[in-house]
Amino acid sequence: GNSVTQMEGPVTLSEEAFLTINCTYTATGYPSLFWYVQYPGEGLQLLLKATKADDKGSNKGFEATYRKETTSFHLEKGSVQVSDSAVYFCALSASDYKLSFGAGTTVTVRA
Amino acid sequence: KAGVTQTPRYLIKTRGQQVTLSCSPISGHRSVSWYQQTPGQGLQFLFEYFSETQRNKGNFPGRFSGRQFSNSRSEMNVSTLELGDSALYLCASSQPGQSGETQYFGPGTRLLVL
Repeated sequence: GNSVTQMEGPVTLSEEAFLTINCTYTATGYPSLFWYVQYPGEGLQLLLKATKADDKGSNKGFEATYRKETTSFHLEKGSVQVSDSAVYFCALSASDYKLSFGAGTTVTVRA
Repeated sequence: KAGVTQTPRYLIKTRGQQVTLSCSPISGHRSVSWYQQTPGQGLQFLFEYFSETQRNKGNFPGRFSGRQFSNSRSEMNVSTLELGDSALYLCASSQPGQSGETQYFGPGTRLLVL
């Protein structure tokens, strides 16, 4: 079946540091790929998405590129802020009307 | 547009009781999905509805059920609650018809079973 594996956390960074969260997937066909973010006490917010190979999703300084050859969708941000502290989830959607999520990566940014 | 709304936001129940959670999708969205989030199991898919039809169901016992109404609003029900049902229940909606469409999430209902 479809599955997502993402980097285990927690990740602790200083402000203005570079952030990478690795995400790889297993899926049949051509899934859409997503990154969602969850702040404490809230639901999930869509951060970015990509629907086909070589697409780059970007939002709020975050980027991720859909790499079919390596089945990856790594999240990157060049300079993190304290406000980026949250839990990040990689997810995929294939032809089964559901999202399959990774385990989530907790990111803490220190001032 | 208003986002996905879920009611109630918090619930406390005791073992053996049943509970009904409600979800109103974004206007124009006809697909509604439900997920359970727990610290141990992460985010797990419960079921998805489109035009009042369940199109997919996750690996949960029959105590978990759902339905969708003609206005796309959805409810999920958990009967004979167990301690392990304590979780954040998230509802998401998406544009009609297409798998792979972006799902937009509500704030969730936090259920505590005592």
